[in-house]
Amino acid sequence: EAQVTQNPRYLITVTGKKLTVTCSQNMNHEYMSWYRQDPGLGLRQIYYSMNVEVTDKGDVPEGYKVSRKEKRNFPLILESPSPNQTSLYFCASSLSQGAGEQYFGPGTRLTVT
Amino acid sequence: GIQVEQSPPDLILQEGANSTLRCNFSDSVNNLQWFHQNPWGQLINLFYIPSGTKQNGRLSATTVATERYSLLYISSSQTTDSGVYFCAVWKDYKLSFGAGTTVTVRA
Repeated sequence: EAQVTQNPRYLITVTGKKLTVTCSQNMNHEYMSWYRQDPGLGLRQIYYSMNVEVTDKGDVPEGYKVSRKEKRNFPLILESPSPNQTSLYFCASSLSQGAGEQYFGPGTRLTVT
Repeated sequence: GIQVEQSPPDLILQEGANSTLRCNFSDSVNNLQWFHQNPWGQLINLFYIPSGTKQNGRLSATTVATERYSLLYISSSQTTDSGVYFCAVWKDYKLSFGAGTTVTVRA
């Protein structure tokens, strides 16, 4: 089944404890990205990657890191999480470098206390 | 950046009613998608519709790219249609979302 998977789906952690949210797609998509969704602010792009080893900042990159060492994986790293990073996170992918239909993962609910 | 405006922000429907959701965007775009976010938070792809009209069951969508708007039609609404509907447009390697329309369908 063609899909985007994220792990974990739910995570409660404490301020300053490094964490990684994994994202994987099995559709051989070139483009992958991360979004966060917050009440009243909608979905905003954190980082995106047009291909392996090519990443760039979105609208809200502060406090996050990404890497794209393999085409299928695009992990999101929070080196020192803070309570303002409590959010619902989505990973997405699309076939082409841009314009193609975006497919979203199931989301990761992160709470930082 | 590009502005995406959705209307109305909230919509309450009686089961069986029809409705139209609107999405306006401020610049030319490469594509447009409609999503439904269910009560569990998952984003479900409804339509990938840069232009023209598409139909999928009781849902249909029309995008008029030259006039920078898209419409999502829900016919014979059901309680399972409840949730938030998002319009998102692609430009400059980024998908920009509208604020969404919250739809509540009452039995």
